[in-house]
Amino acid sequence: EPEVTQTPSHQVTQMGQEVILRCVPISNHLYFYWYRQILGQKVEFLVSFYNNEISEKSEIFDDQFSVERPDGSNFTLKIRSTKLEDSAMYFCASSENSYNEQFFGPGTRLTVL
Amino acid sequence: SQQGEEDPQALSIQEGENATMNCSYKTSINNLQWYRQNSGRGLVHLILIRSNEREKHSGRLRVTLDTSKKSSSLLITASRAADTASYFCATDLSSGSEKLVFGKGTKLTVNP
Repeated sequence: EPEVTQTPSHQVTQMGQEVILRCVPISNHLYFYWYRQILGQKVEFLVSFYNNEISEKSEIFDDQFSVERPDGSNFTLKIRSTKLEDSAMYFCASSENSYNEQFFGPGTRLTVL
Repeated sequence: SQQGEEDPQALSIQEGENATMNCSYKTSINNLQWYRQNSGRGLVHLILIRSNEREKHSGRLRVTLDTSKKSSSLLITASRAADTASYFCATDLSSGSEKLVFGKGTKLTVNP
């Protein structure tokens, strides 16, 4: 069964460093998403991406964040200058369209020291 | 209550018993999705129920939706130790937003 994959599974970085989290969505899906879950808290929406552009973003998704689909398969989330409070599990998700199931990847645990 | 709020927060049952988790929300939705998360792991999609549906089944899972009460329930029948996980409801708002709004989840423990 097709699934969303994410790399790396764990990332440790120093405050102020740039990180890139990578995702490979399910191949025939058209909508891509990033969510995050701070330890012990709710899963929070960050951004959705469709037709090579951001279609919606949350207040969390400020200028430090960017997303890109550099080729036909990868979908990346970049955090330019990480802060301690960016430590969280970051989930990528994809869906066939905007009103169907969103399938999530296994997540990347980001730790900012 | 907040959008997508589950109750109870924690539930502990014996293997073989049924587990019922509830979710309430505030605003109109297109659909409601239930997910499972094992400790520290990814979110596994369980079932999607659309706003015009009242009940859906998938294996040992039964989901109901009452849009007049803005609530949904997830029933797991004949529970197994492997069902131990956190369960989240997530709402797809009908406002045109593409995001899912998650609740805090119900932590289910199934004791062997």
